[in-house]
Amino acid sequence: DAGVTQSPTHLIKTRGQQVTLRCSPKSGHDTVSWYQQALGQGPQFIFQYYEEEERQRGNFPDRFSGHQFPNYSSELNVNALLLGDSALYLCASSLEDKRGYTFGSGTRLTVV
Amino acid sequence: KQEVTQIPAALSVPEGENLVLNCSFTDSAIYNLQWFRQDPGKGLTSLLLIQSSQREQTSGRLNASLDKSSGRSTLYIAASQPGDSATYLCAVRTTGTASKLTFGTGTRLQVTL
Repeated sequence: DAGVTQSPTHLIKTRGQQVTLRCSPKSGHDTVSWYQQALGQGPQFIFQYYEEEERQRGNFPDRFSGHQFPNYSSELNVNALLLGDSALYLCASSLEDKRGYTFGSGTRLTVV
Repeated sequence: KQEVTQIPAALSVPEGENLVLNCSFTDSAIYNLQWFRQDPGKGLTSLLLIQSSQREQTSGRLNASLDKSSGRSTLYIAASQPGDSATYLCAVRTTGTASKLTFGTGTRLQVTL
């Protein structure tokens, strides 16, 4: 049973560019959340998607946007990249019934 | 606003020792609390999930307890091994915030030979 799959694993972008990160949830899961983890910090909640709608959003600017597809997979888009966007981006999936989360291995984004 | 604190920030112990990692949270209205392990540069691996109605959960050498009223959880690791070296993160899912997880900054554990 495949867990949460994220792609790509590593990415280097230039300031001002745009990036798209992808996530496939664990089989049977219907909810996808995205987190940003800076070095030495705990993950910070970006937003969550359920039934193809953004259900909740953390304190991130509108440059961060996302999408969930009918097969429950999801994308995270970041526009106008800043150096401070360099981080590990984690995708987590879960079931709507408030059980635990399963995380992917993350995408390491470096903005230069 | 929920805040999660983990103490200590770092810990180094010799192999074979039993150890306790601490997690505290400010809002006791939680659905559940989850402990994760993170190896350097990697994703999160779930260790234990405790629902708000439970007092503890056990998996192998790991035991996690939850005292919701005092806003505390502990992760007990028995007979530590070098392979246990990693960062351990505590995360709470708070009532009224849909499904958002709030994380602590983690405890970095090193188990030496």
